[in-house]
Amino acid sequence: DAGVIQSPRHEVTEMGQEVTLRCKPISGHDYLFWYRQTMMRGLELLIYFNNNVPIDDSGMPEDRFSAKMPNASFSTLKIQPSEPRDSAVYFCASAQAGGGKNIQYFGAGTRLSVL
Amino acid sequence: GESVGLHLPTLSVQEGDNSIINCAYSNSASDYFIWYKQESGKGPQFIIDIRSNMDKRQGQRVTVLLNKTVKHLSLQIAATQPGDSAVYFCAENYNAGNNRKLIWGLGTSLAVNP
Repeated sequence: DAGVIQSPRHEVTEMGQEVTLRCKPISGHDYLFWYRQTMMRGLELLIYFNNNVPIDDSGMPEDRFSAKMPNASFSTLKIQPSEPRDSAVYFCASAQAGGGKNIQYFGAGTRLSVL
Repeated sequence: GESVGLHLPTLSVQEGDNSIINCAYSNSASDYFIWYKQESGKGPQFIIDIRSNMDKRQGQRVTVLLNKTVKHLSLQIAATQPGDSAVYFCAENYNAGNNRKLIWGLGTSLAVNP
């Protein structure tokens, strides 16, 4: 398997623009997670899905952020409008159900710079 | 909310030495713990996990120790190699089968000197 695939790897945009980050989870995984990583705050969970349904979005910073999972093989994280403080690395991860474990497999991330 | 109280220290070791990375967790109800390695420019990579009913678990060159009495977790890396240079994160979980929110530490940077 190719692992979790994220696109784009890098995104540079101007304040006020819409940004869409994309993720393809590992085939067969039931859970999908969106994280944000910054030096100041470390790794923060934004939202996670189970079987395409959002389970916990308490980490989504504000209404400017939205996430969707239209099917088992694709998810998007959208920021509209973007602000400089959104600059961070955004990771997508996926995990299998069962076994009482929570091993999350991460993509390579999208580095977002909002100017 | 609970958080894994790990500030980002740096550990510097000589190649071939053993490394010990420590982590304190705050939720005594956490029953599952996991270590990740993150190399520069990459996403976190799973290393090893342990359930709260165990004190020790070994993998290839790595050992995780869990001390529930003092809420402490450690990752031991044997014969540290330059490729081990990375940031290491511990994370805790309560009811991992149903609750998928990992609580992450801030990481420890490991530098391996040749």
